[in-house]
Amino acid sequence: LAKTTQPISMDSYEGQEVNITCSHNNIATNDYITWYQQFPSQGPRFIIQGYKTKVTNEVASLFIPADRKSSTLSLPRVSLSDTAVYYCLVGDSNYQLIWGAGTKLIIKP
Amino acid sequence: DAGITQSPRYKITETGRQVTLMCHQTWSHSYMFWYRQDLGHGLRLIYYSAAADITDKGEVPDGYVVSRSKTENFPLTLESATRSQTSVYFCASSERDSEAFFGQGTRLTVV
Repeated sequence: LAKTTQPISMDSYEGQEVNITCSHNNIATNDYITWYQQFPSQGPRFIIQGYKTKVTNEVASLFIPADRKSSTLSLPRVSLSDTAVYYCLVGDSNYQLIWGAGTKLIIKP
Repeated sequence: DAGITQSPRYKITETGRQVTLMCHQTWSHSYMFWYRQDLGHGLRLIYYSAAADITDKGEVPDGYVVSRSKTENFPLTLESATRSQTSVYFCASSERDSEAFFGQGTRLTVV
């Protein structure tokens, strides 16, 4: 099972673009990369998922290089409400995902 | 309303007591999961179910029992609660290889 490494915490300011990088050196061929967001006292919420290259949806982009050993979640023009913990997960099924401590993102005014 | 609901939201119980946490989803998702999240940590999978009457152990199953007689319900039972089981418990559901939807969590305190 692939484990991930991501920064423990990050700070940024409203209106900035935030990039959170995750490393997953032992990612398997069939593994997807998935990001979740969690607010205090709430369950995690799905943000985005990708396999290779770039994926974009209405809230974020996910950049995956060719070797797939890392990935970067990009949040455009963050606001205070983006303050949360962000989890990077790697696996080919939900029951194989290993949840680390995530990245605590703090957005300042 | 469609969604996934957990009950109770908060529970205090004594060591040695049996307690059951409930989880109900309205999407008819095949997969359901139970996680625990200790303060400041990520989630750890306790049990999961791929369909009604099919359950399997996750990373930390000891001390827990699950059942899934109906697709929409996935109760988690602590047979004899211990202080180390004090945690926030999250239930989730999904289709295979699709995003998981999480409930609001149950905060369990064992005294």
